[in-house]
Amino acid sequence: EPEVTQTPSHQVTQMGQEVILRCVPISNHLYFYWYRQILGQKVEFLVSFYNNEISEKSEIFDDQFSVERPDGSNFTLKIRSTKLEDSAMYFCASSEALGSISGNTIYFGEGSWLTVV
Amino acid sequence: DQQVKQNSPSLSVQEGRISILNCDYTNSMFDYFLWYKKYPAEGPTFLISISSIKDKNEDGRFTVFLNKSAKHLSLHIVPSQPGDSAVYFCAATAGWGDSWGKLQFGAGTQVVVTP
Repeated sequence: EPEVTQTPSHQVTQMGQEVILRCVPISNHLYFYWYRQILGQKVEFLVSFYNNEISEKSEIFDDQFSVERPDGSNFTLKIRSTKLEDSAMYFCASSEALGSISGNTIYFGEGSWLTVV
Repeated sequence: DQQVKQNSPSLSVQEGRISILNCDYTNSMFDYFLWYKKYPAEGPTFLISISSIKDKNEDGRFTVFLNKSAKHLSLHIVPSQPGDSAVYFCAATAGWGDSWGKLQFGAGTQVVVTP
């Protein structure tokens, strides 16, 4: 079964450092997402991306965050200057299309644990 | 933000019996609902979904029921198996345009299937 892959699986970084989390979405998918889950909290939407631009973003996704599709396969989330409260599991996700058409859904990667110290 | 609620943090069920997980929502704009299963340190795995035009969707051992008037959905797993032990998340979205991928998740229900 095709899957979304993420690297690294775990990263420890010092406060104030830049972090890039990488994702390879499912190959025929066109819509890409980042979500995060802070320990003990709900999974939260961060951003959606289509056709090389942000489609939708949440209040969490401030100027410290950016996303990019640098080539035909990778999708990255950059946190410019990490804060302690950025410590979370970050999930990349993708879907083939928008909307609940037959067979369409959102598939998630395994996640990248980010620990900011 | 409590648009999607899973009020039972945990559920214990015997192997072979039915597991029933519940989810309530408050946003009447939601029209597509999904259930995900998650093991520790892994990403959510899609299980089953339902559109608001239906009231039931079935896939193997998994059935999701939607009651729009009550803003309630439930996931039935029959029969429950030890490998079903995981956290189950209910998620919802308003199925239009760019907002479709903006899933709102519940807090999850930890299911433990005992022998």
